[in-house]
Amino acid sequence: GNSVTQMEGPVTLSEEAFLTINCTYTATGYPSLFWYVQYPGEGLQLLLKATKADDKGSNKGFEATYRKETTSFHLEKGSVQVSDSAVYFCALSEREYGNKLVFGAGTILRVKS
Amino acid sequence: SQTIHQWPATLVQPVGSPLSLECTVEGTSNPNLYWYRQAAGRGLQLLFYSVGIGQISSEVPQNLSASRPQDRQFILSSKKLLLSDSGFYLCAWSAGPTAVNQPQHFGDGTRLSIL
Repeated sequence: GNSVTQMEGPVTLSEEAFLTINCTYTATGYPSLFWYVQYPGEGLQLLLKATKADDKGSNKGFEATYRKETTSFHLEKGSVQVSDSAVYFCALSEREYGNKLVFGAGTILRVKS
Repeated sequence: SQTIHQWPATLVQPVGSPLSLECTVEGTSNPNLYWYRQAAGRGLQLLFYSVGIGQISSEVPQNLSASRPQDRQFILSSKKLLLSDSGFYLCAWSAGPTAVNQPQHFGDGTRLSIL
């Protein structure tokens, strides 16, 4: 079946450091890929998405590129802020009835000032 | 624009009591609707999803049930809560039912504590 694997956390960075959170996937067909962010005590917010190979999703300084050859969708940001501290989820869509998503386990990001 | 509402935000219930959590979506028609649980950490477990009124698919056998009495209303219920039902419950919607590869959009969640 389809699956998403994220790097283990927590990831602890100093403010203005470069961020990479790795995400790889296994899927049949051509799924869309998503990154969601969850701030403490809140629901998940869609951060960015990519619908086909070589697409780059971007939002709020975060970027991720859909790499079909390496089945990856790594999240990057050039300079993190304390306000970026949250849990980040990588997900793929299952191209099937019900439009379900498969989520990774989530990666906790902590940014220190 | 579309919005999703979940209530209550927090709930404390005794073991054996009933449960009803409600979720409504505004600004869209015929959405797919989903209930997730996030227990003591960060992983998300899909509990139920619905592609139309009265159509419910259960992902995990358990003590909970779901209903969709109206197009944009999704209810999570239990007749008798267990301690293991504690957690953070999230409702979500996506475009549907013919749309594919669409993102889901989440509510703010309900924190359920069972005593």
